[in-house]
Amino acid sequence: DAGVTQSPTHLIKTRGQQVTLRCSPKSGHDTVSWYQQALGQGPQFIFQYYEEEERQRGNFPDRFSGHQFPNYSSELNVNALLLGDSALYLCASSPDRRTYFYGYTFGSGTRLTVV
Amino acid sequence: GNSVTQMEGPVTLSEEAFLTINCTYTATGYPSLFWYVQYPGEGLQLLLKATKADDKGSNKGFEATYRKETTSFHLEKGSVQVSDSAVYFCVRTQGGSEKLVFGKGTKLTVNP
Repeated sequence: DAGVTQSPTHLIKTRGQQVTLRCSPKSGHDTVSWYQQALGQGPQFIFQYYEEEERQRGNFPDRFSGHQFPNYSSELNVNALLLGDSALYLCASSPDRRTYFYGYTFGSGTRLTVV
Repeated sequence: GNSVTQMEGPVTLSEEAFLTINCTYTATGYPSLFWYVQYPGEGLQLLLKATKADDKGSNKGFEATYRKETTSFHLEKGSVQVSDSAVYFCVRTQGGSEKLVFGKGTKLTVNP
C-alpha cells in the first residue's frame, strides 16, 4: 500500500520564480494538507484541501496557493519565491477529515532551495 | 493560544538507557495529542496518539499518557536502541480545526 508520494524530492529555484510541488495521498485518504518545515523547526501548517476546496489556511501569504484534483492528489504553488521560502515542504493526508482521531500520514517531503 | 512546548534538545543517551521527552500543551479545548518521529532523511511518521484524557498511547516500546490535570504528554521508553535516533515532535490538534500544531522537536541520539 503506497503511502503519501511527493515530487520532486529536491528542487532549486531562483528568487522571484514560481514553483509547483505535487502530492498523491495515501490510498483511501481524501484530505490533503501542506506543511512547511524550516531547518531545525517543527512543521507549520499552510493549508488543507478537502473535496477540491481549500478548507483551512495557516498564516501564509497569498503567494502560497494550492489545488486538489478529483483523484484527491494536490499541488502546492508558490509565486515570487523568496530566500525565506527555502524549506522542506511536507504533504500529509488523512481519511475523511478525522485528523483528531487518525492523525496524518506524511510524505517524505520536497526540499526547496531558493537561491 | 494553541501551542506545544517540548524539552530542548539535543538529547544523547547510551543504548538501553531510559528516555523521557517532556511535552506540555496549552489547555485550549480538548485536543488530540500525538508524537511524531522523523528519522534522518525521511518524512514524519506517527509514533503514537491519545485522543482523550487518561488515554495511553503506545508503540514500539514508546508510551505517552494524556494528562489533562498537568496538560502534559511526556514520551517515555524504558530501553532505547541506536535505531531510535531521530527527531521527536509532540503535536496537538487545534480546537475546531484539522490543523496540527507541532512542538519544535527534540533530537535524540543513542550511542552504542
